[in-house]
Parts: sequence; structure tokens; C-alpha cells
Amino acid sequence: EVQLVESGGNLVQPGGSLRLSCTASGFIFSDHYMDWVRQAPGKGLEWVGRTGNKANSYTTQYAASVKGRFTISRDDSKNSLYLQMNSLKTEDTAVYYCTRSYSSAVRGTGYWGQGTLVTVSS
Amino acid sequence: QSVLTQPPSASGTPGQRVTISCSGSSSNIGSNNVYWYKQLPGTAPKLLIYGTNQRPSGVPDRFSGSKSGTSASLAISGLRSEDEADYYCATWDDSLSGRVFGGGTKLTVL
Repeated sequence: EVQLVESGGNLVQPGGSLRLSCTASGFIFSDHYMDWVRQAPGKGLEWVGRTGNKANSYTTQYAASVKGRFTISRDDSKNSLYLQMNSLKTEDTAVYYCTRSYSSAVRGTGYWGQGTLVTVSS
Repeated sequence: QSVLTQPPSASGTPGQRVTISCSGSSSNIGSNNVYWYKQLPGTAPKLLIYGTNQRPSGVPDRFSGSKSGTSASLAISGLRSEDEADYYCATWDDSLSGRVFGGGTKLTVL
């Protein structure tokens, strides 16, 4: 069974930093594209960014709203995905979901973690 | 403002067929597969449709997806009370080099 468990969400001041983690189990982690998707309170879904799989050399891509501030990385030996968030703004307040591609060939999100809440406020 | 446009709300009575639209452009829906997700309050989204019209195992065949040009649709037949949720479309956008979502449609079962 595919399991994605996020951690690291917290209250942080504007301008601060935070690192989210996602621990995966139930599948071959290195085979899959992994994305971060966020949802502000009462709002819709917003794609944050993605890391490719081993086959595409772990290429990363980011939404314009976070590019230059957020960094996605992965450690296949630990079945873990990370989101380093710097220069946080109040508008980054959201539940952050770790997601996995549907399959190694179908890159769109197929599986979601339960989410972790990041609150940016003074 | 979302790149993909969905109606904010939709409704139907039990047993009815309801369709939710998702409008995009040539750089997203027009050239890539569409995904649909269902989200219940306070929970993570769940995949309903991938590859524009493919259902993952476990998703009832009451749910179907289609695409024509730069627009996609999710159809739900035999509407049930448990279908009341928020529904989101998503796809890749070649111009933005990123994934894009619709703003979501709140489905109410009357």
C-alpha cells in the first residue's frame, strides 16, 4: 500500500525558513516523480514543484510563486522527499501535500499524503 | 485566478447525471492529459481520473472523463449523496512548465 507521511509543518514568522519532509513506503521510491502541492485555508489546490525520478536525473521544476525561495530534494536511500522553504511570506500559509506520480510512466499525481500545515504569521 | 477554469458550483439530485467542465488552452488541456480529483472536507484529494479518461482501480464506473480541444469534462452518473465534495481538474502546462489546477467545483447533492 502506498503511504506518504509529511512532517515539519509549524508556525513560522515572515522571512523565516522551514523544512518539510515526506517519508514514503509501499513502493519503489526512486521510480517515481514526486510533487509538492499546497492548499491555502478555504482555497483551491496549487502546485508547488516537482522532482523527477532517477531516469530523468531528478530534474526539478517549480511554480513561479516559489521559484528561488523553495527547494525540492529527495533521498532515495531514505525513501524521503523534502521541501526547503526560505524567505517565507504570509501567502505561503497552507496545507502542504506530498504527492506521488500515478505510475512510473504516468507522471501526474496519483497518490497524496495527509498534508502538513504551515502557518506564516508574526 | 486559476489557469484552468471550472464552475464554482454544481448540483444535482440523487440518480441524476452531472457534468463538471474544465476549460484551458492549447498549452495545457489542448496538448496534455487531464486528471480529476475529489476532495472531501478536511481530507486530502483523491484521484478519480487520469490520462483524461482512465479510472484507477476502485473508482466506480459512474465517473468518466473526456476532452475536446481545450476543454475537459467530468461526468458523474447515478448521483449519490457521497458524491458531495469539491472536484478539481489538473494537467501539465507546456508554456508554464508546471502543473496547473482548476479552481475547483463544489458539488451539492440536493
